[in-house]
Amino acid sequence: EVQLVESGGDLVQPGGSLRLSCAASGFTFSSHWMSWVRQAPGKGLQWVANIKEDGSEKYYVDSVKGRFTISRDNAKNSLYLEMNSLRAEDTALYYCARGYYLTDYWGQGTLVTVSS
Amino acid sequence: DVVMTQSPLSLPVTLGQPASISCNSSQSLVYSDGNTFLNWFQQRPGQSPRRLIYKVSNRDSGVPDRFSGSGSGTDFTLKISGVEAEDVAVYYCMQGTHWPYTFGQGTKLEIK
Repeated sequence: EVQLVESGGDLVQPGGSLRLSCAASGFTFSSHWMSWVRQAPGKGLQWVANIKEDGSEKYYVDSVKGRFTISRDNAKNSLYLEMNSLRAEDTALYYCARGYYLTDYWGQGTLVTVSS
Repeated sequence: DVVMTQSPLSLPVTLGQPASISCNSSQSLVYSDGNTFLNWFQQRPGQSPRRLIYKVSNRDSGVPDRFSGSGSGTDFTLKISGVEAEDVAVYYCMQGTHWPYTFGQGTKLEIK
């Protein structure tokens, strides 16, 4: 069974940093692109970033470019999102998802709140 | 960015009756290889999104056959042939053809 379990969400002050993790199991992690997608409270879905199977390609939505970094450790079956210079508008539930243009499985999300 | 516009945004439906959600994209979603990467997701209250349909009309494993997807180019539709109580959710279309991938605003289906 495919499982994606996010962690690392927290309350952080504007300008602060946070690192999200996603532990994957039930499939060959190193064979899949992975993504982060976020959902602001009571709002719709927004793509954040993708990373290729071997980490050689990464794509970001403009609003996070230069502030967020997606990475992975295939030996640990883990996906990460390093978030710097956080803003109030980054407040959201962050989902880890398998795949990219045909993303299929999603985790339950981890909540990031940016507030003073 | 490609704008995905769904209608209606709110959809009250009587149990057993059909429902239809429209999704229009600001650009054609046909990729250079001929595929159209238009997916539909269901998000039940308090849950993460679940993919129902991929590449316009392909139903995911375990998805009831009352759900169907159709369309081409810039106009797409999700249909439910007879709504059941478990279908109460927000439905999103999503395009995976042009980066950044984008979602529609969501359509909230409720039982009338």
